[in-house]
Amino acid sequence: RKEVEQDPGPFNVPEGATVAFNCTYSNSASQSFFWYRQDCRKEPKLLMSVYSSGNEDGRFTAQLNRASQYISLLIRDSKLSDSATYLCVALGNTGFQKLVFGTGTRLLVSP
Amino acid sequence: EAQVTQNPRYLITVTGKKLTVTCSQNMNHEYMSWYRQDPGLGLRQIYYSMNVEVTDKGDVPEGYKVSRKEKRNFPLILESPSPNQTSLYFCASSPIGLAGLETQYFGPGTRLLVL
Repeated sequence: RKEVEQDPGPFNVPEGATVAFNCTYSNSASQSFFWYRQDCRKEPKLLMSVYSSGNEDGRFTAQLNRASQYISLLIRDSKLSDSATYLCVALGNTGFQKLVFGTGTRLLVSP
Repeated sequence: EAQVTQNPRYLITVTGKKLTVTCSQNMNHEYMSWYRQDPGLGLRQIYYSMNVEVTDKGDVPEGYKVSRKEKRNFPLILESPSPNQTSLYFCASSPIGLAGLETQYFGPGTRLLVL
């Protein structure tokens, strides 16, 4: 079983839609979680950290459910520019500061 | 401008021909790491370094070497490349500590094809 698992998608949504991604992690000891955004053939960029209390940044909301070991990302009022691959990331339990990446969920926002 | 640079950005080579991919950061970060990204497998860590002369293996270190002689540079060396090392490679840097993970920067990537 992969340490971080995501639905690869793609999720096809119209502009203005609300879309949610889930991600599950297997290491119950993981302390830190992140969502990264990756545009086609570009480097990943940190979108937001995920806190136990939840985290909201504009149209983006991230939630952590430790009991069920999943992380979610909600995007409201989708824009064309939101089209990208979203990577779920957990801090691993081996290796200093080691990040474990999911394979990503692809989002396509259409006009 | 804070950045991580990688060179070359694209490389086609043949099996067995030694190559080096350079990585340099201008943010005085202690922590640097190399990842490879393959379809269906996501990013996997190859090697990481916590500071000058301190390096350690990640998940997929076989066939790779690294060095950290200066804080800003962290080259990735393929002594004898093989076709299964065809991949997209990213270098990343951040300050030490969990808070540093919130300011991790990635380089633009190096696309390597080994024939």
